[in-house]
Amino acid sequence: DVQMTQSPDTLSAFVGDRVTITCRASQSISNWLAWYQQKPGKVPKLLIYKTSILQSGVPSTFSGSGSGTEFTLTITSLQPDDVATYYCQQYNVYSPSFGQGTKVEI
Amino acid sequence: QVVESGGGVVQPGGSLRLSCAASGFKFENSVIHWVRQTPGRGLEWVTGIGIDGYQHYLGSVKGRCTISRDRSTVYVQLDSLTTDDTAVYYCVKEGYSSGHAPAFDVWGQGTKVTVSS
Repeated sequence: DVQMTQSPDTLSAFVGDRVTITCRASQSISNWLAWYQQKPGKVPKLLIYKTSILQSGVPSTFSGSGSGTEFTLTITSLQPDDVATYYCQQYNVYSPSFGQGTKVEI
Repeated sequence: QVVESGGGVVQPGGSLRLSCAASGFKFENSVIHWVRQTPGRGLEWVTGIGIDGYQHYLGSVKGRCTISRDRSTVYVQLDSLTTDDTAVYYCVKEGYSSGHAPAFDVWGQGTKVTVSS
């Protein structure tokens, strides 16, 4: 199984800050990585797939990069509405697996 | 959207059947999965079923989990439940695939399963 590890577990930043979350895979997953956003009390929402492609309706303040085993999610200008837990997910092989989540606070 | 039903409280060793109904997209052309979430283990993919009925299972549920579908609903039967199965279970639609595994673009609101005596 592919293990996904995110860092940090929790991130505190100011409004307007550039924020970066890292996701590492235990083996190469090529570029088959997705990012999800889960706001408090809500359902996870797909933000990015195939490492860097924004899902329809996702603002361009979100971006993704990486390949192989190391990936990043960047929020270029943090807004109050971005407060959430962010999860990465590999879909290179079964079983699809998620990182433990990174909680973003303001 | 997808809507789950069937959650509840069940005793250890018991069984539960969850259902997922969809609207707003061609259900019969969609690959459907179940993902569960717990505070301790986070998000965990459990099982999925293809358009042709092909099934995938997480190793830890294989043999006690059965997924099936008809024209409008996906079902998952969970047997020999343990406290580790306590979770919110989401029905999710496969939106993208690597050709080997899925990413999920539509999530239901979830149904809570509690295994407790």
